[in-house]
Amino acid sequence: GENVEQHPSTLSVQEGDSAVIKCTYSDSASNYFPWYKQELGKGPQLIIDIRSNVGEKKDQRIAVTLNKTAKHFSLHITETQPEDSAVYFCAPTDSWGKLQFGAGTQVVVTP
Amino acid sequence: DTGVSQNPRHKITKRGQNVTFRCDPISEHNRLYWYRQTLGQGPEFLTYFQNEAQLEKSRLLSDRFSAERPKGSFSTLEIQRTEQGDSAMYLCAGTQGLKGTGELFFGEGSRLTVL
Repeated sequence: GENVEQHPSTLSVQEGDSAVIKCTYSDSASNYFPWYKQELGKGPQLIIDIRSNVGEKKDQRIAVTLNKTAKHFSLHITETQPEDSAVYFCAPTDSWGKLQFGAGTQVVVTP
Repeated sequence: DTGVSQNPRHKITKRGQNVTFRCDPISEHNRLYWYRQTLGQGPEFLTYFQNEAQLEKSRLLSDRFSAERPKGSFSTLEIQRTEQGDSAMYLCAGTQGLKGTGELFFGEGSRLTVL
């Protein structure tokens, strides 16, 4: 089955700094690569995604980069704000639409 | 608000009892997923449906777990003879499309505590 590793497990950044989270996967059949954000007491929510035919995608302060050859993709958050504090999950997805979540990264943005 | 509702939000039960959780996605969600999440971990895949058809059930799931989606609308997840290890948050998610490679809309989950 799919092996998904996410690093780091916790990330503390000062407000205004950048945060980068890396996700490594093993299933070469994965072709869709979303990142989800989960706040306390809520279900995960999609923040950005990328498909296998694209190397990078950006949406305001958030970007995702994909290296399909190396089987990893990364989440980049610039100009972090306190509301970015949450747990972030990568979820590489196969062609059947089955997501396998990473263990998560707890991001803490300190003012 | 994702439009996906789950009930009950919290369930406390004694070991050996049966519990059932319900998920109501929006009508456009022809795909429905169940995940289980324990503290400090990512959601773990349990099963998913395309309309009323169950496409896959995780090999990690014992026979005590069963899920249904009659008529392709709401879904239920039943756990029989609960064990303490079943304590977790059970998440339901819906999405549109046949291939499922798109945004999943999660409910807020049903938290199970087995005493």
